[in-house]
Amino acid sequence: KAGVTQTPRYLIKTRGQQVTLSCSPISGHRSVSWYQQTPGQGLQFLFEYFSETQRNKGNFPGRFSGRQFSNSRSEMNVSTLELGDSALYLCASSLGTGLSETQYFGPGTRLLVL
Amino acid sequence: AQKITQTQPGMFVQEKEAVTLDCTYDTSDPSYGLFWYKQPSSGEMIFLIYQGSYDQQNATEGRYSLNFQKARKSANLVISASQLGDSAMYFCAMRVPTGSARQLTFGSGTQLTVLP
Repeated sequence: KAGVTQTPRYLIKTRGQQVTLSCSPISGHRSVSWYQQTPGQGLQFLFEYFSETQRNKGNFPGRFSGRQFSNSRSEMNVSTLELGDSALYLCASSLGTGLSETQYFGPGTRLLVL
Repeated sequence: AQKITQTQPGMFVQEKEAVTLDCTYDTSDPSYGLFWYKQPSSGEMIFLIYQGSYDQQNATEGRYSLNFQKARKSANLVISASQLGDSAMYFCAMRVPTGSARQLTFGSGTQLTVLP
């Protein structure tokens, strides 16, 4: 079974631009979560989607948004990019949202904002 | 609020030896799940092992075992017979079933280096 895929893998943008990242979950998985990883802040939760509904949102500004499609694929968008948005963005999928559900991560998208 | 603490920023271990990576957690929720992930330099987070708060036995997965001490709120990862490929960043994470904390809360990680 194919793992979680994320595109693009690397991205360079300039301040003020917007970016869209894509995540395809493991087949059959309906829950997708997004995390931001930076050297300073570590791993921080962005959002969680299940069956096209946002179930949970982390403490990020409104410039960060996401959505999930009927095939469980998910996208996240960052508008008006800032230098501090440079990070590794990780997507994770799981069958459901239960406590013991293991989240399986993709390889991440490395975003550099200049 | 939930919190995970990993106090060892870096660890070195000789190949074929065992190593313990520390993790302590804090939550007032009686029901929780604890996870360990490995992150090689490529960036992908690889799931290693899971322990539920009500599990009576310590979890084991191949060379990985979790030393779960509930009263101490610790969930240390033990890697037996270390291999060079085990060199990576290791993260402890926790999940509780209620509200906004249902997502994984991660510790700061431990960088493990296996020496030949």
